[in-house]
Amino acid sequence: KAGVTQTPRYLIKTRGQQVTLSCSPISGHRSVSWYQQTPGQGLQFLFEYFSETQRNKGNFPGRFSGRQFSNSRSEMNVSTLELGDSALYLCASSSDTGAKETQYFGPGTRLLVL
Amino acid sequence: AQSVTQLGSHVSVSEGALVLLRCNYSSSVPPYLFWYVQYPNQGLQLLLKYTSAATLVKGINGFEAEFKKSETSFHLTKPSAHMSDAAEYFCAVSDNTNAGKSTFGDGTTLTVKP
Repeated sequence: KAGVTQTPRYLIKTRGQQVTLSCSPISGHRSVSWYQQTPGQGLQFLFEYFSETQRNKGNFPGRFSGRQFSNSRSEMNVSTLELGDSALYLCASSSDTGAKETQYFGPGTRLLVL
Repeated sequence: AQSVTQLGSHVSVSEGALVLLRCNYSSSVPPYLFWYVQYPNQGLQLLLKYTSAATLVKGINGFEAEFKKSETSFHLTKPSAHMSDAAEYFCAVSDNTNAGKSTFGDGTTLTVKP
């Protein structure tokens, strides 16, 4: 099976712009989660989607949003970018939602905000 | 609420020596525990997970971890370090009160000296 894919891998934006990141989960997986990784804050949970519904959300401002399509692919959007949004954004998929499900991570999208 | 503390942000061992990476967790309900490895510019890869079955869990690449409820610990070990083990390691916890999404520790960077 192909792994989790994320596009683009690298992105440079300027403050105030918006950005959309894409994640294609492993075939058959219905749960997609997004994480932000920064040197200062570590890995922080953004949100999870399961069968096109947002199931859980982390402590991020409303500028961060996401959605999931019927084929389980997911996108996350960040509007009005700030310098602090520079990070590695990781997507993870699992076959089902639930605490003990194994999450499979993609390689991430590295976003640099200038 | 759940949390993870990884003791030691940097650990250095010689090739062939024992690897011990420490993880303590806090969870109000029985937890599920995970260890992930991250190589530079890559996503996270699952090494092993504890889901309330055997307390000694064996993972990939010769790693294992033991769940000790009395000590709220889930330390990662490997009898003999290899140069290819140099990476960043993350401990994570999840439980059924959090809709299945993990809380990660700050990570431990493992350096292996020749």
